[in-house]
Amino acid sequence: QQQVKQSPQSLIVQKGGISIINCAYENTAFDYFPWYQQFPGKGPALLIAIRPDVSEKKEGRFTISFNKSAKQFSLHIMDSQPGDSATYFCAASIWGKAAGNKLTFGGGTRVLVKP
Amino acid sequence: GAVVSQHPSRVICKSGTSVKIECRSLDFQATTMFWYRQFPKQSLMLMATSNEGSKATYEQGVEKDKFLINHASLTLSTLTVTSAHPEDSSFYICSASGPGLKNYGYTFGSGTRLTVV
Repeated sequence: QQQVKQSPQSLIVQKGGISIINCAYENTAFDYFPWYQQFPGKGPALLIAIRPDVSEKKEGRFTISFNKSAKQFSLHIMDSQPGDSATYFCAASIWGKAAGNKLTFGGGTRVLVKP
Repeated sequence: GAVVSQHPSRVICKSGTSVKIECRSLDFQATTMFWYRQFPKQSLMLMATSNEGSKATYEQGVEKDKFLINHASLTLSTLTVTSAHPEDSSFYICSASGPGLKNYGYTFGSGTRLTVV
C-alpha cells in the first residue's frame, strides 16, 4: 500500500523556470514532511522539511506548500538551474523523540533542467 | 555535522559469497538505523529498522537470514548480505536517526552499489 503518492514521475523544465512536484498522503498521523534530493549513485540529501503547524516554508529557491485538509504538500523549485537536475523524493513520518519512526517515501520525480 | 559514512561505495562479489556494508555515524549517536534498498529509477524500499543493542525489525518480505543487520554500538551498524545471488544486486543505503540530530531528523549514507556476478 503506497501511503505517499508523488507526481509527476518526470519533469523537464527550462533553466530559470519553476519546477513543481506534488505529493499526497493518506495517514493522518504523519506530521513531518521532508523533501530529499538524490543524484545518481548517491544517497538522498535533505533539501527542506515542514511540519503541519505552518502552510509554507521557504529556503532559498526551494519552497514547500502544505495543505493539511487536503493531505497534500508540494515542492516548488524557483529559478531552476541545470545543477538541480536530480531525482526528488517526498517523504512523511510521525515526528517525535521516538527516533525509530520510519520514513515513508513517495515514488520520486526525475527533474531535468535544460540550459 | 550529522554525517553518516557508508562503506564500501561499490562492491562486486561472486555468487554465493557474503558481503558486509558498514555505516558509521561520525558526529552523533545513531540510536536508530534504517536500511534501504533501491532499484534503478525506483524509490527507496525500507528493508529493516534497528535500534542500538536490539534485534532489527524487518519489513514484510525481507529475509532476515539473508540480510543480517547488526547495530551493536551507537556509531556503527552493518548489513551483511549472505550467500549473495545476482538478484541481490542493488543500491543499498543506510539512514540514521537519533538525539543530537536537529529535531530528530534523518541523515543518509552515500550508498553502496552491490553487483553479484
